[in-house]
Amino acid sequence: KAGVTQTPRYLIKTRGQQVTLSCSPISGHRSVSWYQQTPGQGLQFLFEYFSETQRNKGNFPGRFSGRQFSNSRSEMNVSTLELGDSALYLCASNPGQTSTDTQYFGPGTRLTVL
Amino acid sequence: AQKVTQAQTEISVVEKEDVTLDCVYETRDTTYYLFWYKQPPSGELVFLIRRNSFDEQNEISGRYSWNFQKSTSSFNFTITASQVVDSAVYFCALSSVTTDSWGKLQFGAGTQVVVTP
Repeated sequence: KAGVTQTPRYLIKTRGQQVTLSCSPISGHRSVSWYQQTPGQGLQFLFEYFSETQRNKGNFPGRFSGRQFSNSRSEMNVSTLELGDSALYLCASNPGQTSTDTQYFGPGTRLTVL
Repeated sequence: AQKVTQAQTEISVVEKEDVTLDCVYETRDTTYYLFWYKQPPSGELVFLIRRNSFDEQNEISGRYSWNFQKSTSSFNFTITASQVVDSAVYFCALSSVTTDSWGKLQFGAGTQVVVTP
């Protein structure tokens, strides 16, 4: 089975721009979660989508948004980029049947904001 | 509120030494799950183990073993006879069955393991 894939792997943007990251889950997985990883804050949960609906959300400003498509692929968008948004963005998928299903992670997208 | 503490920031060992990573958690939930993930330099988080709060049996998988002690809220991880390929950051994480937990793992800060030949 193919694992979780994320595109692009690397991105360089400037302040004020917006960015869209993509995540394709493991086949059959209907839940996709997004995390931000920074040296200062560690791994922080952004949001989770299941069947095209956001089921849970972390404590991030509204500039961070996401969506999920009918094939379970997910995108996250960050508008009006700030320097502090530079991070590794990881997505994870799981079957979505329980809140404690094992999450399987993709390789991440490393975003650099200049 | 849930919290996971990994007090060890970095552990350096010489190959073939054993290394134990500590994980202490806090939760008010009676049903919860604990996880360990490995993050090599490539960045991808690799799942290692999932354990529920009702199963305190220790587990061994090859050179890896886990010790879950509910009485001390700890879920420690030992690598026996470490190898250079074990060099990575290891994360302990917690999830629960409450309604606000969908898709959310609460991670510790991680422990960097450096294994030198």
